Amino acid sequence: QSALTQPASVSGSPGQSITISCTGTGSDVGGYNFVSWYQHPPGKAPKLIIYDDTKRPSGVSNRFSASKSGNTASLTISGLQTEDEADYYCCSFAESSPYVFGSGTKVTVL
Amino acid sequence: EVQLVESGGDLVHPGGSLRLSCAASGFTFSSYVMIWVRQAPGKGLEWVSKMNGSGNRIYYADSVKGRFTISRDNSKSTLSLQMNSLRVDDTAIYYCVKEVSYGLALEYWGQGTLVTVSS
Repeated sequence: QSALTQPASVSGSPGQSITISCTGTGSDVGGYNFVSWYQHPPGKAPKLIIYDDTKRPSGVSNRFSASKSGNTASLTISGLQTEDEADYYCCSFAESSPYVFGSGTKVTVL
Repeated sequence: EVQLVESGGDLVHPGGSLRLSCAASGFTFSSYVMIWVRQAPGKGLEWVSKMNGSGNRIYYADSVKGRFTISRDNSKSTLSLQMNSLRVDDTAIYYCVKEVSYGLALEYWGQGTLVTVSS
């Protein structure tokens, strides 16, 4: 099972909005409503920020939102803050594996 | 508060074995699916293995199948990963993860334990 495709890096200025894409196939992203997103700051444990394609866990800032169209899922961070600097990973259930991760996107706040 | 604390990471030679443990607290351990995820240096996250609460449903990534064994002791709220025939490309931080109860997502992560396979 190949990793889902994400851009290597995305950057933005404080207050701006950025969007990270996550492209898979009909056997993973497009075939199920089980895309999740994780924020992974350097040296810390990853944190769940989106599950079931678009749902936000309790306690996660509403600046994080997600959508999906076909085989591509997207994560949007609004009102970008310096604390949002981290690696971000998408993840999906797949026919061949319960969890297939994306390649990861490094978010930089300029 | 949910806590997951991994231990057992070490430097080991190729072909060697290692056993990782994860001590869980703050939730009813036996009711939840538990998972191991790893991250090789400079690489992304990779799912390794998954076990349901009763221990009778187990899944492995193809990369570790036949070499790694996941287990759990619900009486001690402990998850384990026995790693045999270790290879250089098994070098990674290994995370213990609690799955959500309401779908397929990785709700809580430990801080990880480093496994280095090198001669």
